[in-house]
Amino acid sequence: ETGVTQSPTHLIKTRGQQVTLRCSSQSGHNTVSWYQQALGQGPQFIFQYYREEENGRGNFPPRFSGLQFPNYSSELNVNALELDDSALYLCASSLAGLSSSYNEQFFGPGTRLTVL
Amino acid sequence: GESVGLHLPTLSVQEGDNSIINCAYSNSASDYFIWYKQESGKGPQFIIDIRSNMDKRQGQRVTVLLNKTVKHLSLQIAATQPGDSAVYFCAQDAGGTYKYIFGTGTRLKVLA
Repeated sequence: ETGVTQSPTHLIKTRGQQVTLRCSSQSGHNTVSWYQQALGQGPQFIFQYYREEENGRGNFPPRFSGLQFPNYSSELNVNALELDDSALYLCASSLAGLSSSYNEQFFGPGTRLTVL
Repeated sequence: GESVGLHLPTLSVQEGDNSIINCAYSNSASDYFIWYKQESGKGPQFIIDIRSNMDKRQGQRVTVLLNKTVKHLSLQIAATQPGDSAVYFCAQDAGGTYKYIFGTGTRLKVLA
């Protein structure tokens, strides 16, 4: 176990709805990255938060947004859900300095989102 | 565009044999490469990493080889065990940024 937890485990939503996914990082880690993993694919980087600030973003539209809290836990919010948003959403925590990418990322078990 | 791809989607090996999982990448600016193992229902688990200034790194039963000339990364697993059955992903940093680029994965099946 990595010590990274995510909730909920599974979630079913309908098109147009909004969803919030949560991640608790490993103790002592200050950075959280979110990834989307479609079935049969590798994880795709959504964005990263470092000390409560967004520290980079992948090719995802603005309806994907996030937050990081003072205890370094994080939320991923997705508005106006589309069918293609159905995927496993992974968060990964690490201990990093700003713009550092060489620190091992510890992944949580993911949240399986199904959009109907 | 950026890509990290794998040659074989499924690899079947006999228990006790060595496994080799290959990965081709396109971003020559990457400084850091990682192999992850993902079991069903779990998040990716870090296996081993390698920096671009190295061509080989060994861990416990695993070895990663990096050939920057042909942009090729491989993971070797010695004496493959049933517990090694999983999907394996290679990943690379996007040229010194926070972003990791993952491949599509190779499923390793260990036959008893």
